[in-house]
Amino acid sequence: NAGVTQTPKFRVLKTGQSMTLLCAQDMNHEYMYWYRQDPGMGLRLIHYSVGEGTTAKGEVPDGYNVSRLKKQNFLLGLESAAPSQTSVYFCASSYSGRGSYGYTFGSGTRLTVV
Amino acid sequence: SQQGEEDPQALSIQEGENATMNCSYKTSINNLQWYRQNSGRGLVHLILIRSNEREKHSGRLRVTLDTSKKSSSLLITASRAADTASYFCATVPDIIQGAQKLVFGQGTRLTINP
Repeated sequence: NAGVTQTPKFRVLKTGQSMTLLCAQDMNHEYMYWYRQDPGMGLRLIHYSVGEGTTAKGEVPDGYNVSRLKKQNFLLGLESAAPSQTSVYFCASSYSGRGSYGYTFGSGTRLTVV
Repeated sequence: SQQGEEDPQALSIQEGENATMNCSYKTSINNLQWYRQNSGRGLVHLILIRSNEREKHSGRLRVTLDTSKKSSSLLITASRAADTASYFCATVPDIIQGAQKLVFGQGTRLTINP
């Protein structure tokens, strides 16, 4: 019963370094999302994907890139990390059938950029 | 930009009492969802209510939706210590290519005192 798995769970980066956050889901969900959570700001959508090979920008996409080469994986990349990207990052997925469904979230990646 | 605003920001009650949290939003919605987040963990989907529904129940949870007032409330009855968490409302303004882009509020921090 893995659901949505995020790796790594914690990471400290120096300004200017790059890294990739991995999200994997085993529920055969079509839709996947990346959010960031900052104190007092709630969660904000970075990028999302409606299927393998597709990605789209969310509310706060600047400084991030994403890829969805396989249906079960959604990668979030930071090319040149900045202190403003210090945050907790959550990946989520959702079912694509008729009707409305809730998200399944991963447990998050806590990223600190120094 | 955030769609929902929760009220109160923090709530502390005694075990066994009922807890009510409110959410207001700005634009028309397809559906509204409530999530729980325990400290340091991912979000867990609690309940979804569609725009044509007025009330929904799930165990000890009761959600109401008033689209004319653009507001929703979450009632937790007979609270337990395990209900201590942050609760977020999230709206779906529209569905694009089947994807529901959730817009989160800032959350209500609920503390249940033994």
